[in-house]
Amino acid sequence: AQTVTQSQPEMSVQEAETVTLSCTYDTSESDYYLFWYKQPPSRQMILVIRQEAYKQQNATENRFSVNFQKAAKSFSLKISDSQLGDAAMYFCACAQGGSEKLVFGKGMKLTVNP
Amino acid sequence: DAGVIQSPRHEVTEMGQEVTLRCKPISGHNSLFWYRQTMMRGLELLIYFNNNVPIDDSGMPEDRFSAKMPNASFSTLKIQPSEPRDSAVYFCASSFLAGTSAYEQYFGPGTRLTVT
Repeated sequence: AQTVTQSQPEMSVQEAETVTLSCTYDTSESDYYLFWYKQPPSRQMILVIRQEAYKQQNATENRFSVNFQKAAKSFSLKISDSQLGDAAMYFCACAQGGSEKLVFGKGMKLTVNP
Repeated sequence: DAGVIQSPRHEVTEMGQEVTLRCKPISGHNSLFWYRQTMMRGLELLIYFNNNVPIDDSGMPEDRFSAKMPNASFSTLKIQPSEPRDSAVYFCASSFLAGTSAYEQYFGPGTRLTVT
């Protein structure tokens, strides 16, 4: 069974600074997908970024980028130029190819200080 | 385009009552997922459908829980009878299993259920 671990329950960052959220996963499959979701206080789950395991290039979406280390089974999210609106719970998730089932980590609360 | 729609947004009921949560997936999506979120257990997948057919219901906690998807634009999650430990936020999500956007799930706003 696949597992996703987010070891840091909380982090804080100053506005305009950069922060990195860590995530490790474990899967026996070679075909899988990794995701970061954001859940602000409104509780809406918002897809931030995705990474296909077969791609070596790290995914980037505007201020959000990932550091995908396949051998280490690590999938960290970097937020550059942090904004107050980035404050939220962040969840790392993994889906095995052909399954569609998303397994989520426990989440990490990010606070952005003005 | 409208996102995933869930109703009601909030539900308060008494133990023993039947609760029905509703979901309308994004038009054109062919997979639908029901999740439960609690502080203790985090986000758990309860059941998911593909092309209206239940594919995996291994996360459904007990026989008190049932889910249906009578057509591509509607699904229900029913709890009968409800218990206080069912109190949680229930999310519905949908996705389109094909091409480069495979496996991206889009979530509804959730239903906060409180069972007293």
